[in-house]
Amino acid sequence: GQQVMQIPQYQHVQEGEDFTTYCNSSTTLSNIQWYKQRPGGHPVFLIQLVKSGEVKKQKRLTFQFGEAKKNSSLHITATQTTDVGTYFCAGVGFQKLVFGTGTRLLVSP
Amino acid sequence: NAGVTQTPKFQVLKTGQSMTLQCAQDMNHNSMYWYRQDPGMGLRLIYYSASEGTTDKGEVPNGYNVSRLNKREFSLRLESAAPSQTSVYFCASRAIGRNNEQFFGPGTRLTVL
Repeated sequence: GQQVMQIPQYQHVQEGEDFTTYCNSSTTLSNIQWYKQRPGGHPVFLIQLVKSGEVKKQKRLTFQFGEAKKNSSLHITATQTTDVGTYFCAGVGFQKLVFGTGTRLLVSP
Repeated sequence: NAGVTQTPKFQVLKTGQSMTLQCAQDMNHNSMYWYRQDPGMGLRLIYYSASEGTTDKGEVPNGYNVSRLNKREFSLRLESAAPSQTSVYFCASRAIGRNNEQFFGPGTRLTVL
């Protein structure tokens, strides 16, 4: 079945540093979604990417979808302590999502 | 709107006990989902219901059953709990629209001793 992997599994940065998480699928994706889960919380939708090579920005967050639609990345510029949490990508399949393993981000002030 | 609600928030069971996790959504979504989350393994789909009256297995259905009671409610049952089912369980529902995003409940933290 479809597998979605993310790297790194964990990253600890100082506030103000940049952060990137990478998502790789074993199969071509139709769309990809990104979610954020705060510690002790539940996943919250951030964005969906649909087109090959698509780049979308949300303030300090930049999302990219690869040309082959098999990989994606999330880049955070100048991290803040409010960025702490686990970031998941999810491949969109028929009626369901396949979630990546997640990248846990810790930001020290 | 309450969004997606789950009960209970916490539960401790002994091996072999049964229980039902309840989930309800008030957003008129057709599709609902049950996931389990274990450290380092992300979210794994247990069962889903694409519409009222239908249910389908996900990635890890063994040891679980589900009921789509009506459009609002989707319950998950553990008939004979095992320690391997210790996990955080999330229910979600899906919007049909521009993003098709899933909305998650607050989760149930289950420990099986």
